[in-house]
Amino acid sequence: QKEVEQNSGPLSVPEGAIASLNCTYSDRVSQSFFWYRQYSGKSPELIMSIYSNGDKEDGRFTAQLNKASQYVSLLIRDSQPSDSATYLCAVNDGGATNKLIFGTGTLLAVQP
Amino acid sequence: GAVVSQHPSWVICKSGTSVKIECRSLDFQATTMFWYRQFPKQSLMLMATSNEGSKATYEQGVEKDKFLINHASLTLSTLTVTSAHPEDSSFYICSASGLETQYFGPGTRLLVL
Repeated sequence: QKEVEQNSGPLSVPEGAIASLNCTYSDRVSQSFFWYRQYSGKSPELIMSIYSNGDKEDGRFTAQLNKASQYVSLLIRDSQPSDSATYLCAVNDGGATNKLIFGTGTLLAVQP
Repeated sequence: GAVVSQHPSWVICKSGTSVKIECRSLDFQATTMFWYRQFPKQSLMLMATSNEGSKATYEQGVEKDKFLINHASLTLSTLTVTSAHPEDSSFYICSASGLETQYFGPGTRLLVL
């Protein structure tokens, strides 16, 4: 059973701080990793993808991948109240259909 | 790019009726689409994988005769909730498999009275 684990939170950070969201996965052969953001009452939206070890930056977001430790994280710099949402970590199950294994999500609350 | 639509966004129906939800990929072709259900304050739960031109693959515990899925074209999949009951009230979200990953539709909120 492939699993993706996240701390459910809530993770509370002050406005302007760095929010650090973490995720571990069980399948060592996983190759593709994604972060989705889900606002309350809305559907998930893709914010970051990462495939190689190391960091990948996109604006205020940085995804970090460490395949040896089976660990992927998302850093949000200069956190804003509008970043308050649930962040879902997802891992491709390795098939051809892009079927994803989702974590349960971490609720982030950015305090003004 | 990678836009997915769902219709309707909201539906209220009486117990015992059937409800059809459409999922369309607007700017790309999707051989595979996925249907999820999400209850309030709970995680996404994958219901089934929909493959164009073939039968859907249902997750364990999902009744295939109750949740009928049809994927008739590369841009359209439909989910029909048959004989809906109040416990089927939920947020139903589809996604389409694109080049990189899944792209989600906006969701359909179903309330069964």
